[in-house]
Amino acid sequence: GAVVSQHPSWVICKSGTSVKIECRSLDFQATTMFWYRQFPKQSLMLMATSNEGSKATYEQGVEKDKFLINHASLTLSTLTVTSAHPEDSSFYICSAGDWTVASSPLHFGNGTRLTVT
Amino acid sequence: AQKITQTQPGMFVQEKEAVTLDCTYDTSDQSYGLFWYKQPSSGEMIFLIYQGSYDEQNATEGRYSLNFQKARKSANLVISASQLGDSAMYFCAMREWAGRRALTFGSGTRLQVQP
Repeated sequence: GAVVSQHPSWVICKSGTSVKIECRSLDFQATTMFWYRQFPKQSLMLMATSNEGSKATYEQGVEKDKFLINHASLTLSTLTVTSAHPEDSSFYICSAGDWTVASSPLHFGNGTRLTVT
Repeated sequence: AQKITQTQPGMFVQEKEAVTLDCTYDTSDQSYGLFWYKQPSSGEMIFLIYQGSYDEQNATEGRYSLNFQKARKSANLVISASQLGDSAMYFCAMREWAGRRALTFGSGTRLQVQP
C-alpha cells in the first residue's frame, strides 16, 4: 500500500486564490519531505525541502512567498500555492523516505494536478 | 553539482523482448545511490530498483536489472520480457548521501511496448 499520501489529487481554482496540498507519511516518521513540480512531458524538478520544525529550504528560482511550506509534524507537510495564477498550473508531487536505510527509496505521493483558471 | 542524463526521449519495444534504457550521471561524490522510477500516465512514481555506489553486484528486481558501470558513470535499466503494462515514462535519479538527500532526476524516457 501507499506509504505517502497526497491530497487532493486534483484541484481547479480561480486566479488569485490559494490552494493547500497535503502530504502525509503513513508508515514512518519523515523529518524531511521534498516537493517537486512537473510540467507536461518534463521531468520532476525539486522545488523545496521541507524540514520538520524548521523553515523549508527552497531551490533557486522558487518563490518562497508564493509556495508556502509548513512541516508541523513528523508525518505531515503542506504546500500552499498563494495567489495562484495560470502559470502555476502544474503537477505537484511530494516525497519522503526512511533515512535510516541508505538504500531506502524516496516514496512519492500520487501527486496533485493543479489547474488555475 | 550532480547531473543525470537520459539520452533516449522515446523507445519502442516488442512485447516479450528485452529493452535497455540508458542513464549516465555525473557526481564528484563517492557515496551515492542510483534509482529508477516508472511513471504511468496516471502520474504516480513507482520505485523500481536501486544501486548503491559501493555495491559490487548489479541490482536485480524481478524483470528489472541495473547495468551499473561505475567507471563510465552509467546505470542503465534493463527490462526483460516486456509487457504491455510496462509502457510508461521511466526516470533515472540519483541521491548523494552527503548532500541534500533529495533525488535529482533525468529527463526521462518514454517506453512504448508494442503487441
